[in-house]
Amino acid sequence: KNQVEQSPQSLIILEGKNCTLQCNYTVSPFSNLRWYKQDTGRGPVSLTIMTFSENTKSNGRYTATLDADTKQSSLHITASQLSDSASYICVVGLSGYSTLTFGKGTMLLVSP
Amino acid sequence: DGGITQSPKYLFRKEGQNVTLSCEQNLNHDAMYWYRQDPGQGLRLIYYSQIVNDFQKGDIAEGYSVSREKKESFPLTVTSAQKNPTAFYLCASSIDRQETQYFGPGTRLLVL
Repeated sequence: KNQVEQSPQSLIILEGKNCTLQCNYTVSPFSNLRWYKQDTGRGPVSLTIMTFSENTKSNGRYTATLDADTKQSSLHITASQLSDSASYICVVGLSGYSTLTFGKGTMLLVSP
Repeated sequence: DGGITQSPKYLFRKEGQNVTLSCEQNLNHDAMYWYRQDPGQGLRLIYYSQIVNDFQKGDIAEGYSVSREKKESFPLTVTSAQKNPTAFYLCASSIDRQETQYFGPGTRLLVL
């Protein structure tokens, strides 16, 4: 069964600190992996997308990594800001199919 | 101002009533989608459309219906057959099924 597991479920960090969110997947055949940021009560916004051949992708203070061999991805947030408080969702696409598998998300709270 | 819009932001449904959620995009995207988001769960696909006048059932299509008469519009009807409709509904669009999906702001449906 295709699954995407994210950890931790929730996280609280102090403003200015760094953090890393984890995503493990069992989706096969793998096509791509995306990280989205979802503010409370709003639609998700794409942060990064990586294909099988890419192992890192940055978007400002957000850096995503992908290890396709171990089927793991991480999202590293540097110098966190209050506006980073949101849910971060890992999404995996299947090769040859149009289906996406969504993780449940990690809820991040950045505290002043 | 390009983007994807959903209306209304909040919608109340009475028992036995059908309600329709609006989704419009001016991004010239071929593909459009409807997702349902419940607390503590990942997004689940209700319906998707790859082209005008064509749409496919997703994982949880029972109790829902859609139409795609225009490229820009993909309305979702929540019928009385959907026994647990309370959720946050998200519409998305993409150039095609393999590309990044752009999400609307969402509609929160509540049952009276």
